[in-house]
Amino acid sequence: DTAVSQTPKYLVTQMGNDKSIKCEQNLGHDTMYWYKQDSKKFLKIMFSYNNKELIINETVPNRFSPKSPDKAHLNLHINSLELGDSAVYFCASSQDRGVVVEAFFGQGTRLTVV
Amino acid sequence: AQTVTQSQPEMSVQEAETVTLSCTYDTSESDYYLFWYKQPPSRQMILVIRQEAYKQQNATENRFSVNFQKAAKSFSLKISDSQLGDAAMYFCAYRSTLIARGSARQLTFGSGTQLTVLP
Repeated sequence: DTAVSQTPKYLVTQMGNDKSIKCEQNLGHDTMYWYKQDSKKFLKIMFSYNNKELIINETVPNRFSPKSPDKAHLNLHINSLELGDSAVYFCASSQDRGVVVEAFFGQGTRLTVV
Repeated sequence: AQTVTQSQPEMSVQEAETVTLSCTYDTSESDYYLFWYKQPPSRQMILVIRQEAYKQQNATENRFSVNFQKAAKSFSLKISDSQLGDAAMYFCAYRSTLIARGSARQLTFGSGTQLTVLP
């Protein structure tokens, strides 16, 4: 049973469209994240979220918005897609405290904007 | 803000040999976590090993071990008896333990080292 799953795995869309990527974790973790991996493989945090607080990386355009219907889900919604949004987007989850603090990642969504 | 530096964009190793990947970081904190993640061509991010800064003993996981030098802010990964399946991009990552501070939960990644294993 997949711990962190995100869908879709691949997404090809035209400029100007609005799209969403879904993420679900079944680990009971209290914090979820979205990371962006660019063409040079560099990973950068976009958002971190738990039931108390949303932290937004100040460099993320406001066209990107996380939506969390419940503790186990953190979806990423992107408005007015641009060519530069093409990247791999990873969802992850972790536990703030306890023995296991490492982040577990989904399989990534490769977004291609044409 | 913390930074993580991996100065080796690419490394290669002969199968069955040993290779060491370097990582340095910068922080003003005294307690934190360090990780090595592996990203094979499948794109999945896989945890290889983790180290708590308060622990003096270096972490080991089978063929993987770290050399953690806290004063030097260095965290290298040693892979022994390299296998073809070890070929991947390896990322060093830092996480604060200061949960009370808003951005502390996130991982800060280095730029990665692409490891090639030669048969």
